Amino acid sequence: NAGVTQTPKFQVLKTGQSMTLQCAQDMNHNSMYWYRQDPGMGLRLIYYSASEGTTDKGEVPNGYNVSRLNKREFSLRLESAAPSQTSVYFCASSEDGSSGNTIYFGEGSWLTVV
Amino acid sequence: EDKVVQSPLSLVVHEGDTVTLNCSYEVTNFRSLLWYKQEKKAPTFLFMLTSSGIEKKSGRLSSILDKKELFSILNITATQTGDSAVYLCAVTPSGTYKYIFGTGTRLKVLA
Repeated sequence: NAGVTQTPKFQVLKTGQSMTLQCAQDMNHNSMYWYRQDPGMGLRLIYYSASEGTTDKGEVPNGYNVSRLNKREFSLRLESAAPSQTSVYFCASSEDGSSGNTIYFGEGSWLTVV
Repeated sequence: EDKVVQSPLSLVVHEGDTVTLNCSYEVTNFRSLLWYKQEKKAPTFLFMLTSSGIEKKSGRLSSILDKKELFSILNITATQTGDSAVYLCAVTPSGTYKYIFGTGTRLKVLA
């Protein structure tokens, strides 16, 4: 049972570089999410995709873009990385986010921007 | 603005102790509240509480929801070192796809 799979697990970027975090789920879930987790800040929603073909901004979208490639995959792109984007990023999915049911997380991607 | 507040921020106990973690919320049109345990990596699901399920129990862990006072508690009895983790609370307002998380309570259980 793979669940939610994220890549890469660790990445170091220089300021101004770009990169894409990949996420895939094999649970046939409709809704997918990207969160970032910083010390003392909890999990903050960056973007989400309610269903295939839709994406919406969350609490902290600036500096990020997303693509819901298909039902399984939801990628997060940093176009020009900044030190403030150093964080742990979690992808998550739920069967139907509009029902408020269980959300499942990937194992996280540790990103450092120097 | 929708908000979830957890307390205490951190807690250190000894094995065998009982702990109570708190989660209070202010959201428009509450739908569900979820508890997660986060060790080193991904948060893992513990409980979901809704209007139709305000009390849940699994082994040494239990949780209740007070919809009138807008809070939930997570109880852990006979704590073990394996219970050491960050415990996260999330609330979902109806009419949205969002899960709003608190900052978590860091629990450390000493042998």
